[in-house]
Amino acid sequence: GAVVSQHPSWVICKSGTSVKIECRSLDFQATTMFWYRQFPKQSLMLMATSNEGSKATYEQGVEKDKFLINHASLTLSTLTVTSAHPEDSSFYICSARGGTGGSSYEQYFGPGTRLTVT
Amino acid sequence: GQNIDQPTEMTATEGAIVQINCTYQTSGFNGLFWYQQHAGEAPTFLSYNVLDGLEEKGRFSSFLSRSKGYSYLLLKELQMKDSASYLCAVRDRRQLTFGSGTQLTVLP
Repeated sequence: GAVVSQHPSWVICKSGTSVKIECRSLDFQATTMFWYRQFPKQSLMLMATSNEGSKATYEQGVEKDKFLINHASLTLSTLTVTSAHPEDSSFYICSARGGTGGSSYEQYFGPGTRLTVT
Repeated sequence: GQNIDQPTEMTATEGAIVQINCTYQTSGFNGLFWYQQHAGEAPTFLSYNVLDGLEEKGRFSSFLSRSKGYSYLLLKELQMKDSASYLCAVRDRRQLTFGSGTQLTVLP
């Protein structure tokens, strides 16, 4: 089946620094990638949707200058949390959809990245 | 926008059957998904319904009624490993929106 990887799986950083999270579709080309954030005991909240080669579409309330998304190829999207603060500590999950080798309707989720900002 | 409701918690006994309901309101319905999520892990796909009716997949079944904005996930022969959060998610033309999840606890 279609596999999505994320790196790193967990990261601890100091307040004010930036962190980059990578999301890769390993065996299919993802025309669309999604970034979600999940706080403890809450559901997944969509942060942004990105299509390869175009600017990401951010959900209301998500700061595009703080959460930089780059979808440079059909197999890679990155999320950079700039000037991270403790309230940005969360579980970040990417998912990918579409293209050859993957179902057109199903979203395949990465394993998630746990970010802790101290 | 979308509004998705599902119970917060459910408890059932090993070997039993449990039904988790989900109601939704959406503009531009384009499919309903059920995911399973264990604590600290990403969601895993369970089922997809886009037409009315029942989809069966082993111990798991999912039902959809578009006219009622209603779905349920049926888990049979419950096992301890089925203890997890079950997320109902609805897709419109643009995105997939998740419900808050139902935390299922399976007791021995």
